[in-house]
Amino acid sequence: GIQVEQSPPDLILQEGANSTLRCNFSDSVNNLQWFHQNPWGQLINLFYIPSGTKQNGRLSATTVATERYSLLYISSSQTTDSGVYFCAEPGIIQGAQKLVFGQGTRLTINP
Amino acid sequence: EAQVTQNPRYLITVTGKKLTVTCSQNMNHEYMSWYRQDPGLGLRQIYYSMNVEVTDKGDVPEGYKVSRKEKRNFPLILESPSPNQTSLYFCASSWLPLAKNIQYFGAGTRLSVL
Repeated sequence: GIQVEQSPPDLILQEGANSTLRCNFSDSVNNLQWFHQNPWGQLINLFYIPSGTKQNGRLSATTVATERYSLLYISSSQTTDSGVYFCAEPGIIQGAQKLVFGQGTRLTINP
Repeated sequence: EAQVTQNPRYLITVTGKKLTVTCSQNMNHEYMSWYRQDPGLGLRQIYYSMNVEVTDKGDVPEGYKVSRKEKRNFPLILESPSPNQTSLYFCASSWLPLAKNIQYFGAGTRLSVL
């Protein structure tokens, strides 16, 4: 089944810096989602981006389906951007239909 | 507003005391699923349902039960909770096929079993 790898695992930046998070897939990309897990544990939908580029304020995402990767850009980081960022792709693993998540990138924005 | 609602958000219980975590969605989604999240292990699927009365096991179904009697509800039942079920639980829902639709997540239920 599909495997999802995220990099880097950890990222520590100062407020105002820009960052790029990457997600690689072992199989074709159909329905990629990016999530932010805030310090309270909630999973927040950021983007649904099977291909192309989308922007939402300081965040943007690009998926290159043919090369099986996606990038999440965060510009002018704020302390509230801290948390864990996950990418996920639906897959069928041993017959079970699910979202397959990467292990996440933990982003820490220091004031 | 499109929502997946889980209750309770926080729960502390003792070993062996049956509990139910409820999940409800208002989007008429066919698909619903439960995940648990543990440090170092990521999110793992417990059970999922493709429609009313249709449920299937995910990665870690042992110690859990589910039911799907109505389309909007998908409760997670722990008949005899144990400390290794201490975790953060998420309910999710989506239209089918999954490959073409967004999955929506509830706010999570943080469970501690003492």
